Amino acid sequence: DAGITQSPRHKVTETGTPVTLRCHQTENHRYMYWYRQDPGHGLRLIHYSYGVKDTDKGEVSDGYSVSRSKTEDFLLTLESATSSQTSVYFCAISESRLNLRNTIYFGEGSWLTVV
Amino acid sequence: RKEVEQDPGPFNVPEGATVAFNCTYSNSASQSFFWYRQDCRKEPKLLMSVYSSGNEDGRFTAQLNRASQYISLLIRDSKLSDSATYLCVVNEAKAAGNKLTFGGGTRVLVKP
Repeated sequence: DAGITQSPRHKVTETGTPVTLRCHQTENHRYMYWYRQDPGHGLRLIHYSYGVKDTDKGEVSDGYSVSRSKTEDFLLTLESATSSQTSVYFCAISESRLNLRNTIYFGEGSWLTVV
Repeated sequence: RKEVEQDPGPFNVPEGATVAFNCTYSNSASQSFFWYRQDCRKEPKLLMSVYSSGNEDGRFTAQLNRASQYISLLIRDSKLSDSATYLCVVNEAKAAGNKLTFGGGTRVLVKP
């Protein structure tokens, strides 16, 4: 299994509060990703990083920000959580930029409930 | 129309039987394809890549039909432990970089 640790694994928070999810990898992979998974939508990319301090938006980035100050850590922040952000969040990594052959490996997920 | 579509199932399969299911994709420029397996409340895990000529990994066989734009997964001699959701993943080459698009998953339940 890929060395990816997410924290917290489960969190319940109130609407309007800030929340930060952490992804830590021990593989020294350059690329890191944050996805959310919701019934009826599959996995959708929120943000990704292609190096320290290098990040870009995915398809559902509104309401989320990310930071990567070290190769091994990728943080996802919900500045002001809303009920629509209740979801399962998966961090993923890839050794290099996605090409025709490589793919990504996921962390165990963080279950977030916004009440 | 979704970019990657799967029958959500569930496919109820007797233990020892064979089950097969497809995944259709809309973008003909899609370059590579994968099947992931996801157990309940767990992360998706790579099951196998799908090669143009088709490929096998033990009891699992993946096929690609570019003309009709679908990939398939066949599981032979189903085991109880094969019960899971199987996600189809399509890799598209875009100007800004490759993009992975995930299907919603096909749920398989293997029963004794």
